[in-house]
Amino acid sequence: GAVVSQHPSRVICKSGTSVKIECRSLDFQATTMFWYRQFPKQSLMLMATSNEGSKATYEQGVEKDKFLINHASLTLSTLTVTSAHPEDSSFYICSARGYRGEAKNIQYFGAGTRLSVL
Amino acid sequence: DQQVKQNSPSLSVQEGRISILNCDYTNSMFDYFLWYKKYPAEGPTFLISISSIKDKNEDGRFTVFLNKSAKHLSLHIVPSQPGDSAVYFCAASANTGNQFYFGTGTSLTVIP
Repeated sequence: GAVVSQHPSRVICKSGTSVKIECRSLDFQATTMFWYRQFPKQSLMLMATSNEGSKATYEQGVEKDKFLINHASLTLSTLTVTSAHPEDSSFYICSARGYRGEAKNIQYFGAGTRLSVL
Repeated sequence: DQQVKQNSPSLSVQEGRISILNCDYTNSMFDYFLWYKKYPAEGPTFLISISSIKDKNEDGRFTVFLNKSAKHLSLHIVPSQPGDSAVYFCAASANTGNQFYFGTGTSLTVIP
């Protein structure tokens, strides 16, 4: 299957700092990437959808100024958590939708990033 | 509003037996469904999918059944193996490949 790399896998930061998470599709071009957040024992909650070269579409209740998303190329999207606070501590997961063929109908997920804000 | 529901948070099955994980959805516009497997602290891994034009799709030990009239799908794993122990999420989308709606997951434990 297709490979999506997410980095870093874990980050611990102080309150008020910003954290950048990268999501790369390694062996296919991803026209669309998605960012999710997962709370303990809960489902994956879609935060935003990003399309290469255009602004991200945020889900209701997600602050776009706090969670900055950039999709600069067909293989890279970044999520920056600005001025992080303890309540932002969570597991963030990206996924990429394929460009053509079977990959077009499937989202391939990164390994996730565990963010802990002290 | 949870459009995709997995009502069983956990399931335990003996090794070698069949595991059946269930998923219900409410949106009749959903036409593409997927199952993902997730280990702790990892991203979900795609398992198997089915489009609404089919009622069954099989891949090795994994079979997904879709009952459109009941808005229900299920994942069968047979025979179950200890390595299958993980959380399984079902997901659904309308207009294939766009936003996916995930269920809350079912934690499967396969007992050796």
